[in-house]
Amino acid sequence: DIQMTQSPSTLSASIADRVTITCRASESISRWLAWYQHKPGKAPKLLIYKASSLQSGVPSRFSGSGSGTEFTLTISSLAPDDFATYYCQHYKSYEGLSFGSGTQVEIK
Amino acid sequence: QVQLQESGPGLVEPWETLSLTCTVSGGSVTSSTYYWAWVRQPPGKGLEYIGNIYYNGDTYYNPSLKSRVSISMVKSRDQFSLKVNSLTAADTAVYYCARELSGDDGGYFDSWGQGTLVTVSS
Repeated sequence: DIQMTQSPSTLSASIADRVTITCRASESISRWLAWYQHKPGKAPKLLIYKASSLQSGVPSRFSGSGSGTEFTLTISSLAPDDFATYYCQHYKSYEGLSFGSGTQVEIK
Repeated sequence: QVQLQESGPGLVEPWETLSLTCTVSGGSVTSSTYYWAWVRQPPGKGLEYIGNIYYNGDTYYNPSLKSRVSISMVKSRDQFSLKVNSLTAADTAVYYCARELSGDDGGYFDSWGQGTLVTVSS
């Protein structure tokens, strides 16, 4: 199974900060990676698919990059609405389709 | 805009069978563009993929859960359902239904329900 490792697990940041979250795969997944934002009691929200494609309606301050085993999600200027938990997910194949453990972005 | 809504019991006894239903509005489970999936999140833990169903009835299950789960759909109601049998406390989780893109570029989830907490306890 492909393991997804996210870092950091918790991130403290201020409004307008540039924030970067890393996701590493245990083997190459090409660009088959998605990022989600999740707030308590709400439905998770797709932000990025295929490593760097911005989902329709998602603010342009969110961007994704990477390929192979290392990927990043960047928020260029943190907004109040962005405090949430972020998950990466690989979809290289059904076998072991899995999520990272999450990164909680909290107010500094 | 598609919306998904889970429904089912919040409390189930150990060794019983959990049944959850997801109702899709603003879209159709008969679309060939999507799979219809279930994902769960135990308290304090990460997201776990359970499996999916396609409009033609084909299903895929996470190998770690395959022996205990089944997914079905009722096209006329735009609903799909999850059954998990032989429940233990480890099955306590928030259960989400989600729409999963199909095809060569698919495998990610573009719409989710808000989730329903299921507690396994006597």
